[in-house]
Amino acid sequence: GAGVSQSPRYKVAKRGQDVALRCDPISGHVSLFWYQQALGQGPEFLTYFQNEAQLDKSGLPSDRFFAERPEGSVSTLKIQRTQQEDSAVYLCASSAIQGAMVGYTFGSGTRLTVV
Amino acid sequence: DQQVKQNSPSLSVQEGRISILNCDYTNSMFDYFLWYKKYPAEGPTFLISISSIKDKNEDGRFTVFLNKSAKHLSLHIVPSQPGDSAVYFCAGEKTSYDKVIFGPGTSLSVIP
Repeated sequence: GAGVSQSPRYKVAKRGQDVALRCDPISGHVSLFWYQQALGQGPEFLTYFQNEAQLDKSGLPSDRFFAERPEGSVSTLKIQRTQQEDSAVYLCASSAIQGAMVGYTFGSGTRLTVV
Repeated sequence: DQQVKQNSPSLSVQEGRISILNCDYTNSMFDYFLWYKKYPAEGPTFLISISSIKDKNEDGRFTVFLNKSAKHLSLHIVPSQPGDSAVYFCAGEKTSYDKVIFGPGTSLSVIP
């Protein structure tokens, strides 16, 4: 597609429920990132993939968070046993090449509300 | 430890005037600095970047200045337009690693 697509746009989950957030990067983009943005804050790094390899997952806040990109294109961020502090916008971004000068292309995000 | 700081949560500027958004950083290992712009309900969009070996980069109405000794950068928008009203994020990156660290953002309002 023309841009990074994320689904669903909005998700309301009951505390304790598992959720799965999907990211469709720009075709051919090798680098894929997940960020978490709490209200009034900047995006916080969660994890990074280069093709199917997860090269960094240091930003995942707990072992309830899991991300995968099995075929090097679509990625899924899974949150198990959601808690209220997980409420945030989850942003996915992709990049054709390494290097900051070209910047990332972000999707519109998934707004997760845990009630 | 907040590696990228934007100490002004908001800024209001008259249309046609200059907007100056400031950013400070603590990590001297950053190779690049970037500015992203974000409208409500959309993802951030890349605006402009600067290498750590430069002190200025200009793209149309947007200019970024870097003062490495002060660990400070600023984004100048001249002239400001109402469509520039958005949240602006300053960010830093080490290219050897590729992770981008964002500041908390500054909300700019350009008043017609």
